[in-house]
Amino acid sequence: EVQLLDSGGGLGQPGGSLRLSCAASGFTFSSYGMSWVRQAPGKGLEWVSGISGDGGSTYYTASVKGRFTISRDNSKSTLYLQMSHLRAEDTAVYYCAKDRQVLANLDYWGQGTLVTVSS
Amino acid sequence: QSALTQPASVSGSPGQSITISCTGSSSDVGGFNYVSWYQQHPGKAPKLMIYDVSNRPSGVSSRFSGSKSGNTASLTISGLQAEDEADYYCSSYSSINSLVFGGGTKLTVL
Repeated sequence: EVQLLDSGGGLGQPGGSLRLSCAASGFTFSSYGMSWVRQAPGKGLEWVSGISGDGGSTYYTASVKGRFTISRDNSKSTLYLQMSHLRAEDTAVYYCAKDRQVLANLDYWGQGTLVTVSS
Repeated sequence: QSALTQPASVSGSPGQSITISCTGSSSDVGGFNYVSWYQQHPGKAPKLMIYDVSNRPSGVSSRFSGSKSGNTASLTISGLQAEDEADYYCSSYSSINSLVFGGGTKLTVL
């Protein structure tokens, strides 16, 4: 059974940093791209970042480029999102998701972890 | 403003059929067959309902179907049931090396 367990959310200061993790199980982690998707309170889904199965290719939405870094440790079946220079508008529930193809068709999702950016 | 355009809300009575549209451009919906649809109940993670325009993952009811014409994709739910009441989002691969979502459609079962 595929399982994705998001963690690392919490309260972050404006301009500060947080690191999200997503522990995966039930599939060959290194064979699939992964994505982070966020949802601000009461709003829709927004794709944030994606990474290929081998970690060699990374992708970002414009609003987080240069501030967020996606990475993965295939030996630990874990996905990460390093978030820096946090802004109030980064406040959201962050979901990790498994891609059927890189940047497409997100077939399994974590339960989400809430990030709140506030002083 | 979302990259893909969906109606904010749709409604239908139990047993009826409804269709949700998702309009993009030739850079996303019209250019690739990587359109998917997600169902999200309040407080829950999204669930994949349709992938590659018209394919259903294992375990998803055959009442859900997808199609595409030009730059517009559609999700049809037939034989509406109370449990179908949820938010629905479309998404597509985009040629600018990204994934784009629609703004979401709230389905109300009357």
